[in-house]
Amino acid sequence: AQSVTQPDIHITVSEGASLELRCNYSYGATPYLFWYVQSPGQGLQLLLKYFSGDTLVQGIKGFEAEFKRSQSSFNLRKPSVHWSDAAEYFCAVGRDSNAGKSTFGDGTTLTVKP
Amino acid sequence: ETGVTQTPRHLVMGMTNKKSLKCEQHLGHNAMYWYKQSAKKPLELMFVYNFKEQTENNSVPSRFSPECPNSSHLFLHLHTLQPEDSALYLCASSQGAPRNTGELFFGEGSRLTVL
Repeated sequence: AQSVTQPDIHITVSEGASLELRCNYSYGATPYLFWYVQSPGQGLQLLLKYFSGDTLVQGIKGFEAEFKRSQSSFNLRKPSVHWSDAAEYFCAVGRDSNAGKSTFGDGTTLTVKP
Repeated sequence: ETGVTQTPRHLVMGMTNKKSLKCEQHLGHNAMYWYKQSAKKPLELMFVYNFKEQTENNSVPSRFSPECPNSSHLFLHLHTLQPEDSALYLCASSQGAPRNTGELFFGEGSRLTVL
């Protein structure tokens, strides 16, 4: 069965600093990987996804993620964090392109200090 | 209206009440989903519908009863709930086979409190 681990429950960074959120997955085949963001009181919004090809994927809001098969990781990065990035971030892995069967991690809450 | 719309946004009900959550998507998608988001627990997939047919029931108690009359509308009927059912219920849609992009589009959720 597939699983996702987000080791960091809560991360605090200063505005303008760089950010990396970790995600490790367990899956027997080529995974479909996603990062979603959830602002307070809102639903989830897709930031980026990886199916195949270039292992560095670009997403919305200046985010990027790198797929590393050898490490079973799909870490999310942003070079300079803005206060509006404060939210909860979820990594997800899908068995196939059927996104509805994705397994989500527990989430990482990002706090941005002024 | 665009995207995925959920109503009501907030709902308080007693354990003997019957209520329904509604979800509508304006994206032309063929697949719709109910997820449950509880505090300190990961997102849990409850039900999946493809082309109005239920394709997944993730061992959800029968006090939750989904209904999908067409590809644009999804309901979650609630009856005799328990306090532990209090959570944020999220509806999502996706394109579905054969053009599934893998992306889920979520509504803003219905915050349910069971007294």
